[in-house]
Formats: sequence, structure tokens, C-alpha cells
Amino acid sequence: EAGVAQSPRYKIIEKRQSVAFWCNPISGHATLYWYQQILGQGPKLLIQFQNNGVVDDSQLPKDRFSAERLKGVDSTLKIQPAKLEDSAVYLCASSPGRGGVGNEQFFGPGTRLTVL
Amino acid sequence: GENVEQHPSTLSVQEGDSAVIKCTYSDSASNYFPWYKQELGKRPQLIIDIRSNVGEKKDQRIAVTLNKTAKHFSLHITETQPEDSAVYFCAANNYGQNFVFGPGTRLSVLP
Repeated sequence: EAGVAQSPRYKIIEKRQSVAFWCNPISGHATLYWYQQILGQGPKLLIQFQNNGVVDDSQLPKDRFSAERLKGVDSTLKIQPAKLEDSAVYLCASSPGRGGVGNEQFFGPGTRLTVL
Repeated sequence: GENVEQHPSTLSVQEGDSAVIKCTYSDSASNYFPWYKQELGKRPQLIIDIRSNVGEKKDQRIAVTLNKTAKHFSLHITETQPEDSAVYFCAANNYGQNFVFGPGTRLSVLP
């Protein structure tokens, strides 16, 4: 089966600019996650969707980050305006069911964002 | 919220030796504990996981143990090979709640 797709793979922007990332999860996967992975650190969950509803966005900086998952399939993550500290790899993952027991997460290749 | 600590941050072993990475978690409600391997520039990949109703799980050269009372779990890799060199992340999760990852352990297997 096809894996989790993300685009773009790389993005370089100036601070205060806007950027958007796209994720297409594995077909049929109900749960979708966006993570931020800063170099040398573990992934940090930004937002978790169950179908098209938000399960957890407690660590999403809502003053500048937004995400949506229309129709419960594809998702976009937006940063507006970007700051230098937003430089990181943004990982999208999906899992078959409700996040938690017995649900392996499958990660996409990530988008490497550099903010200058 | 959940907090996951992981030790050591770096680990070097000789090829053929064993490697052990330990994680502790804070939320006693956590019930799912996966381990991910991430090679340089690549995505994290699940290598083994354990649920809270199990104390130990083994898959060939990899095993994970869980001590719910002490709130810690460990990854054991036996007969290490150069291709085991990577960053390993543990994570904890409470059904329906967010995954929290540890900071990672960089494992180097020296030939």
C-alpha cells in the first residue's frame, strides 16, 4: 500500500512569511498527526485529528499555526507568520484507528523548513 | 501532562554486544509504549511496541520490558550490528490522548 505522502519536502522562507504543508495519509486511516521535530530532539505532537475532528491541539501555537483536515482525508498545516525557531522537520503520521492502544503510527518523509 | 525521559542520550557499543535504552514516564494512565528507530534524514519507523497489560515482548534481536509500578520501560538489542546505528525514540500514550516522545538515544555500533 502507498505510504503517507507529504509535500513539499523542503522549504526555505524568510521570517514573517507564511508557509503551508500538505499531508495525504494512508488510505482508510482515521487518525492523522502533525509533529514538529527540531534537530536533535524527539518529535513533538502539534495536533491530532480523528477523521475531520481535532482530538488534541494543546501544543499547537495557535497564534501562528493552524491546521485543518477537510473531509477527513488530506490535511494542511500552516504557519503565519513564521519565526526563526520554527525551523524544523514537520512530520505527518497516520494510524488506522483511534490513537493509542494497538495503533501503529506510519510517518511520512517530512518537510524540512528553514526560516531565515 | 505526560513527560517522557530517556537515557542515555548517546550509546556506543561494539558489534555483537548488547545495547539497552531506558525510558521513564510520568502519567500512570499511559498504556501504550512504542519504540521508533530513525536513521539520519529518514522518517521514524516503529520497531517494537508494548501494551500495559504485558511485561515483556520480544521480536528476534529486539525486546522491550515494561515495569508499570516503577513507570519505566526499556529497549534491549542483542547481537548488535552496524545497521542498528540510528537514533531511537521511546514514546508513551494514553488511549485517545497525545503521544509524547522521549528526546532520543543515538546508538553507534562500532565494527
